[in-house]
Amino acid sequence: AQSVTQPDIHITVSEGASLELRCNYSYGATPYLFWYVQSPGQGLQLLLKYFSGDTLVQGIKGFEAEFKRSQSSFNLRKPSVHWSDAAEYFCAVGALSGTGFQKLVFGTGTRLLVSP
Amino acid sequence: DTAVSQTPKYLVTQMGNDKSIKCEQNLGHDTMYWYKQDSKKFLKIMFSYNNKELIINETVPNRFSPKSPDKAHLNLHINSLELGDSAVYFCASRPGTVAYEQYFGPGTRLTVT
Repeated sequence: AQSVTQPDIHITVSEGASLELRCNYSYGATPYLFWYVQSPGQGLQLLLKYFSGDTLVQGIKGFEAEFKRSQSSFNLRKPSVHWSDAAEYFCAVGALSGTGFQKLVFGTGTRLLVSP
Repeated sequence: DTAVSQTPKYLVTQMGNDKSIKCEQNLGHDTMYWYKQDSKKFLKIMFSYNNKELIINETVPNRFSPKSPDKAHLNLHINSLELGDSAVYFCASRPGTVAYEQYFGPGTRLTVT
């Protein structure tokens, strides 16, 4: 079954520093991969997605992610973090339900804290 | 011009009560979902409807009954609420033209006391 692992529960980054959030997936074929962000008390917002093609994908808010098939990873990066980036970040993989319909399987999330 | 909306945003109720959460999307999507986010922030799919037809039911207790009166609405009714039902419930919708990508509502925080 498809699964997603986000090994870091919490990460603290200084404002202005670079960021990398890790995501590893388990899937037999070429995966559909997503990063979502959840700000406190808010719903989930799609940051970026990978379906095929260029393995480096650009998203909103200055985020990017790189798909590495050999490492089964889809890590999220940002060159310079802003205080407003403090949130919960979820990696997800597209999967098929037992009835053959599309769903998302989420990782357990990484909480990003931004220090001044 | 909210894309996916949920009501109420907060719901506090006692054990044993019955409650409903409503979801509406104005994106014209055919497929809608309910997810549960537990206290550890883990998100898990519960149900999915496509054009009013149930297509995914992820072994959720029978006390949970989704209903889709039309493809723009998906409601979640919960009978005999238990403490373990306390969570944030998210509604989402998916365009048929883009594989797997989903748009989420703001969530409903349910607290059972």
